[in-house]
Amino acid sequence: QVQLQESGPGLVKPSETLSLICSVSGGSISRYSWTWVRQSPGKAMEWIGYVSDSGSTTSNPSLSSRVTISVDTSKTHFSLRLSSVTAADTAVYFCGRLGLVGTAYYLDHWGHGTLVTVSS
Amino acid sequence: DIQLTQSPSSLAASVGDRVTITCRASQRINGHLNWYQHKPGKAPELLIYATSNLQSGVPSGFSGAGSGAEYSLTINSLRPEDFTTYFCQQTYRTPWTFGQGTKVEVK
Repeated sequence: QVQLQESGPGLVKPSETLSLICSVSGGSISRYSWTWVRQSPGKAMEWIGYVSDSGSTTSNPSLSSRVTISVDTSKTHFSLRLSSVTAADTAVYFCGRLGLVGTAYYLDHWGHGTLVTVSS
Repeated sequence: DIQLTQSPSSLAASVGDRVTITCRASQRINGHLNWYQHKPGKAPELLIYATSNLQSGVPSGFSGAGSGAEYSLTINSLRPEDFTTYFCQQTYRTPWTFGQGTKVEVK
């Protein structure tokens, strides 16, 4: 049974870098692609980006200049770094595993999410 | 970006009712439409992927349909544990986008 768990600081100061880790247990990390999604209060989910099984990354153009997603296969986790944060980055951040059928991706496993608040 | 308009935003129903939620995309998305269930404080769960494929372990009372830019999720007979929030997602074009969600409440 694959399980994902987000971890990281719950409070980040404006202009600093948000760093989160998603720990993966119960399955191989190297055979899959992995993604980050967030949800700000009262808003729809927002896709942040993903890292493929080959290590390439694709991110939301609205965030791409500030986003780094990477995988550490030896430690069975992947990470998100979001630089120069503002209050607009306050959200619950979710990590997820991607499944693929044909050319269609879907999130077949999610973490519970972790709240990150940007405030001084 | 592809916009997803989900409707209704909320609905009230009773145990045993059949309900349908729709997701309309701002352009054709070639069947790349997924449905999730999200209970407060828990990890979202995949119900349907690529329009109509039932995720392993999901009860058969859930079904998905659609084509082009119009998609739907149907719950055939509501169970008590189905009263929660559902949302759609398109993965046809990046940036992937989500619907606003539909809250299914007890009438």
